[in-house]
Amino acid sequence: QQQVKQSPQSLIVQKGGISIINCAYENTAFDYFPWYQQFPGKGPALLIAIRPDVSEKKEGRFTISFNKSAKQFSLHIMDSQPGDSATYFCAASKGIQGAQKLVFGQGTRLTINP
Amino acid sequence: DTGVSQNPRHKITKRGQNVTFRCDPISEHNRLYWYRQTLGQGPEFLTYFQNEAQLEKSRLLSDRFSAERPKGSFSTLEIQRTEQGDSAMYLCASSSYGQGTKLGPLEQYFGPGTRLTVT
Repeated sequence: QQQVKQSPQSLIVQKGGISIINCAYENTAFDYFPWYQQFPGKGPALLIAIRPDVSEKKEGRFTISFNKSAKQFSLHIMDSQPGDSATYFCAASKGIQGAQKLVFGQGTRLTINP
Repeated sequence: DTGVSQNPRHKITKRGQNVTFRCDPISEHNRLYWYRQTLGQGPEFLTYFQNEAQLEKSRLLSDRFSAERPKGSFSTLEIQRTEQGDSAMYLCASSSYGQGTKLGPLEQYFGPGTRLTVT
């Protein structure tokens, strides 16, 4: 059972454009939603994260939008740059007192054309 | 650099051999996680430690897999009698449960991974 569904699988955006990646989750017990960026041959790097008590969080060019009722969250990358070309993973975990094991989406391969 | 480190970065082994990977977490982090990532997929949770105690293991972790964190610092993941299906990137992450960041214990920081190829 895939608990976190991510779309699209791949995305091509022109330099300067907005990249949007979407995720949907099933388990209402999830209460922490991070996004990771991964370059080939490297480990995932934490980009930005949100908890469900807010609907939006912005850090630089990266924004998470969160819709608790729809059980969806998305990553927006403003002014996308060729250096943003990477694979992006959304994830979720539950229970601040628990294991906080992350459940990942399947990833989106983002290509920014110069 | 005081990030998470993993060794070796690459390992090629023949089917049936045993392999061991090492993870050194960020020094003040008391939680350590192991994940496995196959090509084109997101990482999947395998197991985690709080200090030296192994608190949870995934069903993905068959009897051929064992993990240790003997003094609550570095951790090792051993795979016995490797199979071709074990070929994957093995990722380690650490976090600071109950300590200081804005999101508390939730942020996990990953190492570069160990890519295992079983021939």
